[in-house]
Amino acid sequence: GAVVSQHPSRVICKSGTSVKIECRSLDFQATTMFWYRQFPKQSLMLMATSNEGSKATYEQGVEKDKFLINHASLTLSTLTVTSAHPEDSSFYICSAPVRGNNSPLHFGNGTRLTVT
Amino acid sequence: RKEVEQDPGPFNVPEGATVAFNCTYSNSASQSFFWYRQDCRKEPKLLMSVYSSGNEDGRFTAQLNRASQYISLLIRDSKLSDSATYLCVVNTDKLIFGTGTRLQVFP
Repeated sequence: GAVVSQHPSRVICKSGTSVKIECRSLDFQATTMFWYRQFPKQSLMLMATSNEGSKATYEQGVEKDKFLINHASLTLSTLTVTSAHPEDSSFYICSAPVRGNNSPLHFGNGTRLTVT
Repeated sequence: RKEVEQDPGPFNVPEGATVAFNCTYSNSASQSFFWYRQDCRKEPKLLMSVYSSGNEDGRFTAQLNRASQYISLLIRDSKLSDSATYLCVVNTDKLIFGTGTRLQVFP
């Protein structure tokens, strides 16, 4: 079945550093990928939609200069958290629709970011 | 009003019990609906899509009432391994997740 691979699964970094998270679709092409964030005991919140070959679409309240998204190929999207701060500590998950925009999403295994 | 609302639970039920989760959504233009399961500190995994006619997958039954903007999930003969958080997901122009309902099945 379709698999979305996300790396790294866990990151601990110091405040002020940047962290890059990769998301790959392994056996299908993903023209669109979605980046979510989940704080403890809260729902997944969509941060941005990554579009291959064009600029990402950010949700209201998400700073595009802080959360840089690159979708340079049909199988890879990256999220870079720039100048991370403790409040950025969260669970970041990428996902991609396998069959089309109304199809369910397959999720990467998530990245747990802790900023000290 | 939240776009997708769920009872957060937790629901604590014994093995073998039948349990039902409800979900309401606010956007009548929503096009597709899903139930996901999320284990602690893990990514969500698709449990089942929800169709207007209702659908069943083994012990799981999902129903949709578009007029009432209401979705349900019924789990029969609960297993210990069913313990997880169940997320109601609604697709309008993007997927909106509910906060989830926590289920704990005990022996």
